[in-house]
Order: sequence, then C-alpha cells, then structure tokens
Amino acid sequence: DTEVTQTPKHLVMGMTNKKSLKCEQHMGHRAMYWYKQKAKKPPELMFVYSYEKLSINESVPSRFSPECPNSSLLNLHLHALQPEDSALYLCASSPSQGFYGYTFGSGTRLTVV
Amino acid sequence: EDKVVQSPLSLVVHEGDTVTLNCSYEVTNFRSLLWYKQEKKAPTFLFMLTSSGIEKKSGRLSSILDKKELFSILNITATQTGDSAVYLCAVEGIQGAQKLVFGQGTRLTINP
Repeated sequence: DTEVTQTPKHLVMGMTNKKSLKCEQHMGHRAMYWYKQKAKKPPELMFVYSYEKLSINESVPSRFSPECPNSSLLNLHLHALQPEDSALYLCASSPSQGFYGYTFGSGTRLTVV
Repeated sequence: EDKVVQSPLSLVVHEGDTVTLNCSYEVTNFRSLLWYKQEKKAPTFLFMLTSSGIEKKSGRLSSILDKKELFSILNITATQTGDSAVYLCAVEGIQGAQKLVFGQGTRLTINP
C-alpha cells in the first residue's frame, strides 16, 4: 500500500459544527503532516507529527486540533470554524529518517458556511 | 525566514513546445529540493534533488539543482496537453523535523 487516504473527500459544515478529518497510511511512515491549501496558493504547513508526537505547530488557531492516535492515523478536529477556513486540507506522510517518499493524500475540500 | 520563489507564475504554450520552469530558494540548512505536479487535488511527486549539478530525468521531464546559485529548473520537452497543471517547487530544511516550504507554483497550460 503506497497511498495516503483521506476522508471525507468533501465536507460542508456550519460555523457552530464540530467535525473531523481523517488521514491514514500503511507505509510505515513515522512523520505525518497537515497542510492547508487555498485556491491558487501553495500548500501551507499546519502541523507535523513525528513518531506520534506533535513536533511542529505553525501557530494554527485552536479551532483546529490535531490528533495522532497511532502511527498510521492522523486526525484533524474542527470546531467553530470561520468561512475563511474553507480550503483544501492535505495530509502527507514521510519516513521520519531520511526523506524519501513524501506522499500526499488527495485532500478534503472543506467549505464552511 | 525560509523562502521559495517560482517563475513564471503562469505559462501558456502550444503542444510540442519545450518549457523551463524556475525555482529559487533561501533556506536554513538546505536538505533537498522537490518538484511536484498538481492537477486537481494531491500534489504528485516528480523529482527530489540533493546534489548540485546532477540531472534527474524521467521521460520528457528533467530537473537540475545549482546549490551555489540556490536555484533549480524543471524542463519539459515535447509538451502534451496532459502536462497542463500547477508545478510546485518545495525545499526541505532541517528545522528539528522535516518541513517543506513551497513556492507559489507555476500554472502551465498546454494548448493543442
């Protein structure tokens, strides 16, 4: 299995909703990432987990809450989002040592209404 | 602050043309430079470059890195309509954990 799987593919949520994005990989990668990509912009790093521990938080607002329950799973919990948070959310993984095989998932297209 | 700049931001050519995309960077403790192709959703990996002057090649695509001048180019020869995409350059620096900094991307359109 050489894929990073993200669910759901599309999500529409209200500003008072609580939802979660899910990311899964079975490549034995020990580093996992959340990126946010606005239209016609490059991906921007949000969080990095290395060996299931949060190693980088790029000053992301607390309405985004990451979670890494095990080495294969990465979640992003969403609460009280704003319309400007609408974007493509990309998950990626890589081997923690060395940098070969940085793989992106197909993303979740999030719309906040 | 780490920075990656791509040029041009947009390029429209005819099928069969050759294109050159540029990527310059400033990053602390450079480790590697990567090229990705993004069509509709996930960026797909093209090349990783770590050593200066060594060309990586895959079919009609090739890329080279100049670590002294801090830039890379991506060449596509005999372009096809399927090459239409956004091409992203990203640079990895060592900052405690792996972290990629992306350029703005070059939107390439190949007209038949």
